[in-house]
Amino acid sequence: EDKVVQSPLSLVVHEGDTVTLNCSYEVTNFRSLLWYKQEKKAPTFLFMLTSSGIEKKSGRLSSILDKKEPFSILNITATQTGDSAVYLCVGGSQGNLIFGKGTKLSVKP
Amino acid sequence: NAGVTQTPKFQVLKTGQSMTLQCAQDMNHNSMYWYRQDPGMGLRLIYYSASEGTTDKGEVPNGYNVSRLNKREFSLRLESAAPSQTSVYFCASSEHGQGRIEKLFFGSGTQLSVL
Repeated sequence: EDKVVQSPLSLVVHEGDTVTLNCSYEVTNFRSLLWYKQEKKAPTFLFMLTSSGIEKKSGRLSSILDKKEPFSILNITATQTGDSAVYLCVGGSQGNLIFGKGTKLSVKP
Repeated sequence: NAGVTQTPKFQVLKTGQSMTLQCAQDMNHNSMYWYRQDPGMGLRLIYYSASEGTTDKGEVPNGYNVSRLNKREFSLRLESAAPSQTSVYFCASSEHGQGRIEKLFFGSGTQLSVL
């Protein structure tokens, strides 16, 4: 059975800290891995990773995929209270998306 | 730019009642989806529509029906609500679908409680 496992399930840090969120996956015919940020309600897209070893960056957020292990990490540097959210990792195969349960990040002032 | 719009935002039903969740997107996307999100679980696909006029079952379709009314609109119907259908429901759309892995655009969700 396909699955995506995220760790930790929850995390509390202080502003300015750097955090690493982990995602391992077992997805048949894996194609891509996606990260979403979910604040309050609607998930919003962060990254899609298809190639192993190539880091994607957007401001203080970055992510990398290792197809061999297989896993992905999402890094957030210099965290801010606005980074508080649930971060979702999604494994994609042809026509199918498998969502992880999410990591709840709380950033304290 | 509205994106994906869902209505209603909240709903309380009694067991056995029926209701329809509405979803519309203004991005001219081909594919639309309905997901449910339960505590401690990842989002699970209920139904999806790869194009106007087509619908397919997802992982958890039992107890639901859908209609792709036109390219913009995709509704989800609960014919006889059950407490197990208490959940947060998300509508989403993507540009192509048809087996492509691409980013989804989500609506703001409907919190449904069935008593």
